[in-house]
Amino acid sequence: RKEVEQDPGPFNVPEGATVAFNCTYSNSASQSFFWYRQDCRKEPKLLMSVYSSGNEDGRFTAQLNRASQYISLLIRDSKLSDSATYLCVVNMGGLSGGSYIPTFGRGTSLIVHP
Amino acid sequence: NAGVTQTPKFRILKIGQSMTLQCTQDMNHNYMYWYRQDPGMGLKLIYYSVGAGITDKGEVPNGYNVSRSTTEDFPLRLELAAPSQTSVYFCASSYATGGAYSNQPQHFGDGTRLSIL
Repeated sequence: RKEVEQDPGPFNVPEGATVAFNCTYSNSASQSFFWYRQDCRKEPKLLMSVYSSGNEDGRFTAQLNRASQYISLLIRDSKLSDSATYLCVVNMGGLSGGSYIPTFGRGTSLIVHP
Repeated sequence: NAGVTQTPKFRILKIGQSMTLQCTQDMNHNYMYWYRQDPGMGLKLIYYSVGAGITDKGEVPNGYNVSRSTTEDFPLRLELAAPSQTSVYFCASSYATGGAYSNQPQHFGDGTRLSIL
């Protein structure tokens, strides 16, 4: 079983739609969670951190479910510019010295069309 | 503020050649990382460092070497280039990721696109 799993998609949605992605992780000792956005052939850029109580940033909402070991990203009112790959990142624990090393999911591709 | 800087941006190597991918950061981050990303795939961790003089293997370290003599620099060395090492290489840095700093995100360089023919 992969440590961080995402549905690769693509998710093909019209402008204005609401779309949600899930990401599951295997290590229950995982401490922190993030969503990154990656445009084609570009570096990943932080979209938002994911907090235990859930958090919102404009049209984006992130949720964490520790019991079921998954995080989610909800995008409301999709824009053409939201087309990208969304990477789930989990800082997994258990390393010496208390280090938590970020582990990436494969990413979910989103295509927003007019 | 430059952030994370990678050089070169593009490179073509012949099989068996060697090269060093450079990475430097000016944010005084303790942790630095090297990833590779093959087409349509996620990022795979090659090596990481939690501070100057300390490095450790990631998921796919074979064929690579690293060093961390300063906080700022984390070069990645390919000794005998092979076609399987054709990929996009990303360097990243962050503050420490444990304890009180657990929610520190990574900052990425622009990437180095490497082709081995």
